[in-house]
Amino acid sequence: AQTVTQSQPEMSVQEAETVTLSCTYDTSENNYYLFWYKQPPSRQMILVIRQEAYKQQNATENRFSVNFQKAAKSFSLKISDSQLGDTAMYFCAFMPLWGGSEKLVFGKGTKLTVNP
Amino acid sequence: DSGVTQTPKHLITATGQRVTLRCSPRSGDLSVYWYQQSLDQGLQFLIQYYNGEERAKGNILERFSAQQFPDLHSELNLSSLELGDSALYFCASSVGGAGSNQPQHFGDGTRLSIL
Repeated sequence: AQTVTQSQPEMSVQEAETVTLSCTYDTSENNYYLFWYKQPPSRQMILVIRQEAYKQQNATENRFSVNFQKAAKSFSLKISDSQLGDTAMYFCAFMPLWGGSEKLVFGKGTKLTVNP
Repeated sequence: DSGVTQTPKHLITATGQRVTLRCSPRSGDLSVYWYQQSLDQGLQFLIQYYNGEERAKGNILERFSAQQFPDLHSELNLSSLELGDSALYFCASSVGGAGSNQPQHFGDGTRLSIL
């Protein structure tokens, strides 16, 4: 069974600074996807960024980028130029590419607070 | 707006009752997923349907059931409700299917409160 671990329950950062959220996972699969979802106080689940395991190049979406280390099973999220609107819970998630289901396995989340 | 519609947004009911949560997926998506988010268990996968057929089951209680209809909307039925069933229930949808590389898009959730 796959597991996802987010070791930082809470983090804070000053506006305009950079912060990195950690995520590690455990799987015996070779092909899979990794995601970061954001859940602001409104409770919506918003896709931030995704990474295909077969791609060596790290994904980037505007101020959000990942550091994907497949051998280490590590998938961290870097937020540059943090904004107040980035305040949210951030969930790391794993999805197998094959195996009968595209279900997401989530970590417990990291609560990020951006301070003015 | 994710394009996934969940109703109702809030439900308040009593122990022992039965409720139905409804989800309409994004246009073109064939897969529907149900997740439960609670304080103690976090986000847990419950069940997936793909084009009307059950595709995978997760940590879904026997008191819970779901189905996907020919128009692809899905319903999650929760019966004999207990206090511990209080949670936020999300529906997500994607194109789905084996090998699909499309992400899941989430609805706004249904907040279920058991009194």
